Amino acid sequence: AQSVTQPDIHITVSEGASLELRCNYSYGATPYLFWYVQSPGQGLQLLLKYFSGDTLVQGIKGFEAEFKRSQSSFNLRKPSVHWSDAAEYFCAVGPEYGNKLVFGAGTILRVKS
Amino acid sequence: EAQVTQNPRYLITVTGKKLTVTCSQNMNHEYMSWYRQDPGLGLRQIYYSMNVEVTDKGDVPEGYKVSRKEKRNFPLILESPSPNQTSLYFCASSLSRGGEETQYFGPGTRLLVL
Repeated sequence: AQSVTQPDIHITVSEGASLELRCNYSYGATPYLFWYVQSPGQGLQLLLKYFSGDTLVQGIKGFEAEFKRSQSSFNLRKPSVHWSDAAEYFCAVGPEYGNKLVFGAGTILRVKS
Repeated sequence: EAQVTQNPRYLITVTGKKLTVTCSQNMNHEYMSWYRQDPGLGLRQIYYSMNVEVTDKGDVPEGYKVSRKEKRNFPLILESPSPNQTSLYFCASSLSRGGEETQYFGPGTRLLVL
């Protein structure tokens, strides 16, 4: 069965500092990988996705993620964090069947000024 | 504006009182899904639908029902809610069932069952 692990429940970074959120997945075949962001009181917004091709994926809001098959990882990065990036971030893998996404538990990002 | 809408956004109810959470999308998407979000567990799929009149169970279907009579609507029904169904619920839709398709999420419905 598919699974996703986000090892960090909370991360605090200073505004302007770089960010890396970790995601490890378990899946037998080539996975489809996603990062979503959830701002307080909001739904989930897709940041980026990977399903083939270049392993470095660019997304919205200046985020990028790198697929590393050998490490079963899909870490999210941003070179300079803004206060508005404070949110909860979810890594997800699909599909097990249909379009079902399997989500990690999420990482809450706090940005300090 | 392309969107997924859910109603109500907030709901407090009592054990055993039937309720329905509506979900509607205006993007002509085939695939729709319900998830629940609980702290430390991420989102887990409750039910999904690949098209009109085609629905199937996700990971946590117990205590829930769904229907898909029209392409745009996918209501979630709790026939006899219990406190363990207190959660944040999200509806999602995508153009097709392809794994690479982006799923679009509604704003969420926060449910409290007393």
